Amino acid sequence: KNQVEQSPQSLIILEGKNCTLQCNYTVSPFSNLRWYKQDTGRGPVSLTIMTFSENTKSNGRYTATLDADTKQSSLHITASQLSDSASYICVVSERDSNYQLIWGAGTKLIIKP
Amino acid sequence: GAGVSQTPSNKVTEKGKYVELRCDPISGHTALYWYRQSLGQGPEFLIYFQGTGAADDSGLPNDRFFAVRPEGSVSTLKIQRTERGDSAVYLCASSSRPWGTSGGNTGELFFGEGSRLTVL
Repeated sequence: KNQVEQSPQSLIILEGKNCTLQCNYTVSPFSNLRWYKQDTGRGPVSLTIMTFSENTKSNGRYTATLDADTKQSSLHITASQLSDSASYICVVSERDSNYQLIWGAGTKLIIKP
Repeated sequence: GAGVSQTPSNKVTEKGKYVELRCDPISGHTALYWYRQSLGQGPEFLIYFQGTGAADDSGLPNDRFFAVRPEGSVSTLKIQRTERGDSAVYLCASSSRPWGTSGGNTGELFFGEGSRLTVL
C-alpha cells in the first residue's frame, strides 16, 4: 500500500535554531515528492518539488533532500523564525497515478521566542 | 485573479441541508482540484477537472457529492443532504499544467484558503 509517513508528529524549537523534518514513503513507482507548508486555517503552500533525479532543492531557508533509493526525504529549516510555525506536509506522487497525490499527516512545528 | 479564491470561507449548516462551495482558480489555469481536509489529517483527493470535464471523480465519497466547472474556470462543489461527517475544510487547487502531459505531474498546485464546512 502506498504510504507517506512523517516524523516527528510535532516539534517545538527556539527561534533561530535549525531543525530537520523527516519523510519516509513506500510509493512505487515514484514520480515526485513535494513539501508543503500549511499555516493554521490556511491552504497549503508549495515549498519544493523534487523528481527522481534530484537529491536536493532549496527555497530560501528551506532545503529539501531526497534519497530515492531508501525512499526518504528531509526538510531542513535554517535559522528558524516565528513565522515558520506551521504544519509541514510531505506529498508523494505515483508515476502512473490518476492525479491523486499521497499526503503525509504532517509535522506540526512550533517556533518559540 | 492573483490567487485561488474560495467562498464562503466558513459555512455552518444543519444536517440534511444542501451546500454549495465555490472555487475561482488562478486565471488561465486549466487544471482544478478539490480536496477535503479533516483536522490533523492531510488533504484527501475528491475530484480533478481538466478544462470543463471531470477527468477523475473517483475521490468523491458518495453520490451526495457533485462538482461542476461549466466554463472551464469557476468550479462549484455541491453537497446534498449534508451529514455531520461532511464537516471538514474543503480545499481547491489549480495548476497551469494538465496532469499527464510532459511536466504535468510536477506542476505546482496553488491552493485556496479553503471553505470550512460545519454540519450541526
